[in-house]
Amino acid sequence: GAVVSQHPSRVICKSGTSVKIECRSLDFQATTMFWYRQFPKQSLMLMATSNEGSKATYEQGVEKDKFLINHASLTLSTLTVTSAHPEDSSFYICSARAGTSSYEQYFGPGTRLTVT
Amino acid sequence: DQQVKQNSPSLSVQEGRISILNCDYTNSMFDYFLWYKKYPAEGPTFLISISSIKDKNEDGRFTVFLNKSAKHLSLHIVPSQPGDSAVYFCAASEYNFNKFYFGSGTKLNVKP
Repeated sequence: GAVVSQHPSRVICKSGTSVKIECRSLDFQATTMFWYRQFPKQSLMLMATSNEGSKATYEQGVEKDKFLINHASLTLSTLTVTSAHPEDSSFYICSARAGTSSYEQYFGPGTRLTVT
Repeated sequence: DQQVKQNSPSLSVQEGRISILNCDYTNSMFDYFLWYKKYPAEGPTFLISISSIKDKNEDGRFTVFLNKSAKHLSLHIVPSQPGDSAVYFCAASEYNFNKFYFGSGTKLNVKP
């Protein structure tokens, strides 16, 4: 199947700093990328949907100024957690799909963010 | 408010027996349901899906059943194999696939 990579897999940062997470589709062009967040023992919660070349659509309750999403190319989307705080510590996972109306999405392995 | 729920966080099954993973949902507008499998340190991978116009979909050892009146779906794995040990997520989407709602996952352990 299609491959999606995420980098870094783990990151520890100090409170107040910003962290960038990259999501790449390695063997297909992703017109849409999704960013999810997962707390321990909870479900994957959609944070935002990004379509290449346009602004991301954020879910209710997700601060767009805190979680900056850029989808500059058909193979790369980035999530930047700005001015991170300990409560932002979580597992962030992206997925990508080739079409805009397909159920098929391919997930990256996720990024474990710890803010100290 | 969680629209997709997996109430069993874990399940242990003997190799060769049937594994049944359950999922409930609340939104009657959901049109498509999917099951994903996740190994440690990897992202979820698509396993099997079912449209709301069907009540059963089978793919090899995996069968998904949908009961729309009860807003319930289940994944049956038979016979279970040790390699099936993973976390299984169910997910649901409306017809346009603009958004997917996930359950919290069920960790399946298949004992040799």
